Amino acid sequence: AQKITQTQPGMFVQEKEAVTLDCTYDTSDPSYGLFWYKQPSSGEMIFLIYQGSYDQQNATEGRYSLNFQKARKSANLVISASQLGDSAMYFCAMRANSGGYQKVTFGIGTKLQVIP
Amino acid sequence: NAGVMQNPRHLVRRRGQEARLRCSPMKGHSHVYWYRQLPEEGLKFMVYLQKENIIDESGMPKERFSAEFPKEGPSILRIQQVVRGDSAAYFCASSPGGGRDTQYFGPGTRLTVL
Repeated sequence: AQKITQTQPGMFVQEKEAVTLDCTYDTSDPSYGLFWYKQPSSGEMIFLIYQGSYDQQNATEGRYSLNFQKARKSANLVISASQLGDSAMYFCAMRANSGGYQKVTFGIGTKLQVIP
Repeated sequence: NAGVMQNPRHLVRRRGQEARLRCSPMKGHSHVYWYRQLPEEGLKFMVYLQKENIIDESGMPKERFSAEFPKEGPSILRIQQVVRGDSAAYFCASSPGGGRDTQYFGPGTRLTVL
């Protein structure tokens, strides 16, 4: 069974500082993908970054980077130079094989608040 | 290039009524997924559909809920005889294929049952 764990219900960060949001996962599928989505107060789900299990390098997208540690089964999101607009819920998700196709499982989310 | 479209964005129903949620996938996407987000929780998978086929409905409640993705037109999530516990945000996502493709989400439909 697939499982995603986000242990930080809420985080605060000072504007312009970096912040790390934790995510650990569990799967028996050797080929899987890890995602982070942002959900602002308006409610939509915004895709941020993707890491494949066989990717050699950590994924980066602008101010977002994914600290992928395969042996520890962790996929932490690092946001550099935080901005007020980064205040939102952040969800870690994993796509792995389940029942013959790739199924996506979400964590419960971390609420990030950026302080001016 | 329009993203995933969902309508309505907000839907209010009284207990016992029917709710119909629509999802138009991104252009070129033939795979649709529905998720439900209860207040203060993450997204939970409900159903995965391709055109005219339900691939996996393991996350869908056995009663009152149904989904379809016809050959023409949007995907529909239908909830009959709604109850207060159905109040949630319902998200649709689409992908070009069902394999390792990223799922892109619509803005969601917020259902409130009075």
